[in-house]
Amino acid sequence: QKEVEQNSGPLSVPEGAIASLNCTYSDRVSQSFFWYRQYSGKSPELIMSIYSNGDKEDGRFTAQLNKASQYVSLLIRDSQPSDSATYLCAVNPFGTSYDKVIFGPGTSLSVIP
Amino acid sequence: DVKVTQSSRYLVKRTGEKVFLECVQDMDHENMFWYRQDPGLGLRLIYFSYDVKMKEKGDIPEGYSVSREKKERFSLILESASTNQTSMYLCASSSGTGGFNEKLFFGSGTQLSVL
Repeated sequence: QKEVEQNSGPLSVPEGAIASLNCTYSDRVSQSFFWYRQYSGKSPELIMSIYSNGDKEDGRFTAQLNKASQYVSLLIRDSQPSDSATYLCAVNPFGTSYDKVIFGPGTSLSVIP
Repeated sequence: DVKVTQSSRYLVKRTGEKVFLECVQDMDHENMFWYRQDPGLGLRLIYFSYDVKMKEKGDIPEGYSVSREKKERFSLILESASTNQTSMYLCASSSGTGGFNEKLFFGSGTQLSVL
């Protein structure tokens, strides 16, 4: 059973702090990993993708991947109230059809001004 | 920008009715998907299509069918709606040319209530 799990929320951080969102997956040979952000009442939008072990930075966002530990995380530096949303981890398992990603349940983040 | 349009934002139907949810994308994408999203369960894949008239079952296809007669349009059909199909339904598309690294573009969703 391929599964994607995320740390349970809601997660609250003060404005300016670092928010850390975690995700684990069960399929050891998964290839591609994504973080989607979903504002309340809106549809998900991709904010980060990562395919190789290590860190990938994009502005205030850093995705970290450790395939040996089957772990992917998203760090948001200098958190802003506009970052308040649900963050969905998604994994594309090896051997499935292209783009057949599996989503985690999401972690709700609240950034307190 | 890619636009994925779902025909209805809110829909209320009665148990046993046949329900059609329509999705249109305007970027000539090969792949189209239907997900449902429920609190605490995340997005679950119902069906997807990688070409016209081609379809594959996702993780929860029971009680649903799909139709893709034209490349830009992907329809989700609830043959006989039941209360446990009350959910947010999200359509998505991807270009299909990038292998495993494809970005999904989502529509705005249809909140379906079955009474």
